[in-house]
Amino acid sequence: DVKVTQSSRYLVKRTGEKVFLECVQDMDHENMFWYRQDPGLGLRLIYFSYDVKMKEKGDIPEGYSVSREKKERFSLILESASTNQTSMYLCASSSSIRTGELFFGEGSRLTVL
Amino acid sequence: GQQVMQIPQYQHVQEGEDFTTYCNSSTTLSNIQWYKQRPGGHPVFLIQLVKSGEVKKQKRLTFQFGEAKKNSSLHITATQTTDVGTYFCAGREGGGNKLTFGTGTQLKVEL
Repeated sequence: DVKVTQSSRYLVKRTGEKVFLECVQDMDHENMFWYRQDPGLGLRLIYFSYDVKMKEKGDIPEGYSVSREKKERFSLILESASTNQTSMYLCASSSSIRTGELFFGEGSRLTVL
Repeated sequence: GQQVMQIPQYQHVQEGEDFTTYCNSSTTLSNIQWYKQRPGGHPVFLIQLVKSGEVKKQKRLTFQFGEAKKNSSLHITATQTTDVGTYFCAGREGGGNKLTFGTGTQLKVEL
């Protein structure tokens, strides 16, 4: 079975803290994605990566950075968390950047106080 | 930038009634995908449509891709309680790499 694993299901952080969200996939996929999900807004793309050490900005990259040092791992970093970054964060991977279906992790619900 | 809108945002139906959600893109799409997210779960891929005017069926679910490749629909015949969840469309702009998700339609099915 294919698997995308996100390191934390629930996190509570304080404003200004640095936050790391980790995602690991076991499908040898080239492409990995970070989305945030908010009620009424659907899923919005933050960053994606189509190869190790390669990344591209999505639609809402401000306040976030990413790291892809190994093929199976894609990390989302909030350098200085703010309350408006309270959200559900979903990691996904796919085999093809233009046609592949996305396999999602269970999500990480982040609350910033 | 590309925008993908879905209507309605919410739909309550009685079990056995039909349900349809509509997806509209501001730009022409190379392909469109549909996902289902159960309450408390993560989105799960249902299907992908690629060709203009394409229609695909999965049991009680019928998916259509518009002739202009800017809109799509998902129709469920005779809903069941297992259909409860949020349905998202997701489209790729022609030649692009980004998959842009719609705002989703939350379906509730009452007995």
